[in-house]
Amino acid sequence: AQSVTQLGSHVSVSEGALVLLRCNYSSSVPPYLFWYVQYPNQGLQLLLKYTTGATLVKGINGFEAEFKKSETSFHLTKPSAHMSDAAEYFCAVTNNNAGNMLTFGGGTRLMVKP
Amino acid sequence: DAGVIQSPRHEVTEMGQEVTLRCKPISGHDYLFWYRQTMMRGLELLIYFNNNVPIDDSGMPEDRFSAKMPNASFSTLKIQPSEPRDSAVYFCASSSWTSGKGLEQYFGPGTRLTVT
Repeated sequence: AQSVTQLGSHVSVSEGALVLLRCNYSSSVPPYLFWYVQYPNQGLQLLLKYTTGATLVKGINGFEAEFKKSETSFHLTKPSAHMSDAAEYFCAVTNNNAGNMLTFGGGTRLMVKP
Repeated sequence: DAGVIQSPRHEVTEMGQEVTLRCKPISGHDYLFWYRQTMMRGLELLIYFNNNVPIDDSGMPEDRFSAKMPNASFSTLKIQPSEPRDSAVYFCASSSWTSGKGLEQYFGPGTRLTVT
């Protein structure tokens, strides 16, 4: 069985500040990890993914995440927040290399203050 | 490509009525997924298809829910009879292993269902 925990259902940062969204996973086998973003009234969009290889993964819109096996974490960061980053962010895991059974975390709503 | 298309975008119906949600995956994609999103339960996978064949429907909440994929370009999720607790946003997603990007699921805009 696999699970995802996102610490903090709401995170608020000032424009230009560091964004850090936390994700911890549980998996019995090496996981594949994902971050998705959901803007209001839209579907989910893939930000980045980790499969194998380099543990620091870069995605779209300046986001990146680091896979830390020892900490079972896959935290999402961005050096400088923009107002347009305000959205809900979901971490997801699968250990099925067919990428079928995605398990999502509860989501973190990011608010960016001017 | 137009992306994953879902219809209707919004559906309001009365308890007991039949509801049919529709999805057109991205052309050439061989996997199709149906998800449900609620405040209480978050995002849940309901069922997924591979090459039009249902592979895992263990997430379907009960017999009132059914899904079909009669061809590679169309899928339906039906609720009969509908209940207020079915109110949620239903997402369809697709992916393509033949393109080498099977791990990337592309989501539609969702159907917001309200059952009164």
